[in-house]
Amino acid sequence: ETGVTQSPTHLIKTRGQQVTLRCSSQSGHNTVSWYQQALGQGPQFIFQYYREEENGRGNFPPRFSGLQFPNYSSELNVNALELDDSALYLCASSRYSGAKGETQYFGPGTRLLVL
Amino acid sequence: AQTVTQSQPEMSVQEAETVTLSCTYDTSESDYYLFWYKQPPSRQMILVIRQEAYKQQNATENRFSVNFQKAAKSFSLKISDSQLGDAAMYFCAYNQGGSEKLVFGKGTKLTVNP
Repeated sequence: ETGVTQSPTHLIKTRGQQVTLRCSSQSGHNTVSWYQQALGQGPQFIFQYYREEENGRGNFPPRFSGLQFPNYSSELNVNALELDDSALYLCASSRYSGAKGETQYFGPGTRLLVL
Repeated sequence: AQTVTQSQPEMSVQEAETVTLSCTYDTSESDYYLFWYKQPPSRQMILVIRQEAYKQQNATENRFSVNFQKAAKSFSLKISDSQLGDAAMYFCAYNQGGSEKLVFGKGTKLTVNP
């Protein structure tokens, strides 16, 4: 069984640029959630994708957007990068959105640094 | 909005001893789920234990157990026979039944001394 994978592992961008982060879900999972983890903080929910549609969103501006593909992999796109976007971005997959209390399994994350 | 509070930024324990990490949460819901995740320095978040709020029995997973006090909205994690590999950040997380998101606390950094 393949776990959740993310790419790239590290990324350096400058303010104002755009970035795309990628996530492959664990086999058998059809739901992907994205979290932002600032240094020294707990992860904050960005949004979730199920059946290729956004299924719930946290308190993040529209310049954070995403996609889910038919194979359940997902992308997180961030436009007009700001210094405060520097963080670890975590992807988590689960079996089914809406099923109560489904465990989310996390990938290793992408460390984004915005200069 | 639901909140999760971990009041211990750092904890330390001697190898082979027992340590308890605290977590409290605030919710008006009755249907929810609680989790403890471990995040080692390698960064990958790993599920330690899961508890359904409707179950009175405390969850256990080998050396890890929880003390779930629903009325007090408390969900502490006990690690028995601590091992060097237990050293990590530990996050308490809340999920409201049917909701898509996990709400995390700020974490507790656990150090295990040999």
